[in-house]
Amino acid sequence: SQTIHQWPATLVQPVGSPLSLECTVEGTSNPNLYWYRQAAGRGLQLLFYSVGIGQISSEVPQNLSASRPQDRQFILSSKKLLLSDSGFYLCAWNAGIETQYFGPGTRLLVL
Amino acid sequence: GQQLNQSPQSMFIQEGEDVSMNCTSSSIFNTWLWYKQDPGEGPVLLIALYKAGELTSNGRLTAQFGITRKDSFLNISASIPSDVGIYFCAGSNTGNQFYFGTGTSLTVIP
Repeated sequence: SQTIHQWPATLVQPVGSPLSLECTVEGTSNPNLYWYRQAAGRGLQLLFYSVGIGQISSEVPQNLSASRPQDRQFILSSKKLLLSDSGFYLCAWNAGIETQYFGPGTRLLVL
Repeated sequence: GQQLNQSPQSMFIQEGEDVSMNCTSSSIFNTWLWYKQDPGEGPVLLIALYKAGELTSNGRLTAQFGITRKDSFLNISASIPSDVGIYFCAGSNTGNQFYFGTGTSLTVIP
């Protein structure tokens, strides 16, 4: 069966510090991978999605970036965090069927 | 990106009551999904709908793909305390990119 992992679960970072969030999927090949941000207002905002290694599509301009160094690994990064980057970051995947499965999320607090 | 209109925004109901919520879009979708999210966790897929008019159940949950393909409905029968959470709809016409509703927060009073 397929599983999706996110690391770390919680992160507290100072403004201006770098960021690296990791998402890995097991039990599937060549998945589509997604990064969402969920603010306190509950809505899910799509940040990036990837249909293959090295292929990244950005949905909104921001100081975040994404990379897909391996088939089942998706990384969300920033060189300098802003206060507004605080939120709940969710990774999701799908493969072959029209649905999306979410990871457990990473809660980021920028102080 | 496109946002789906989900209503109601919040619901406070007595245990045992039935719940109805809906999601509307200005665009036609080929797929509708319903999720439940508990605090501090990722959304969990409840029901997936792939055909206009389709009615699908998952235990006490029933969801319908609207005939116009611009809406979907979720019903929960005989609510219990563990139904508490935020329910999200999501729609897609590509299968790869989904648009999410703003969520319905459900509180069940024992």
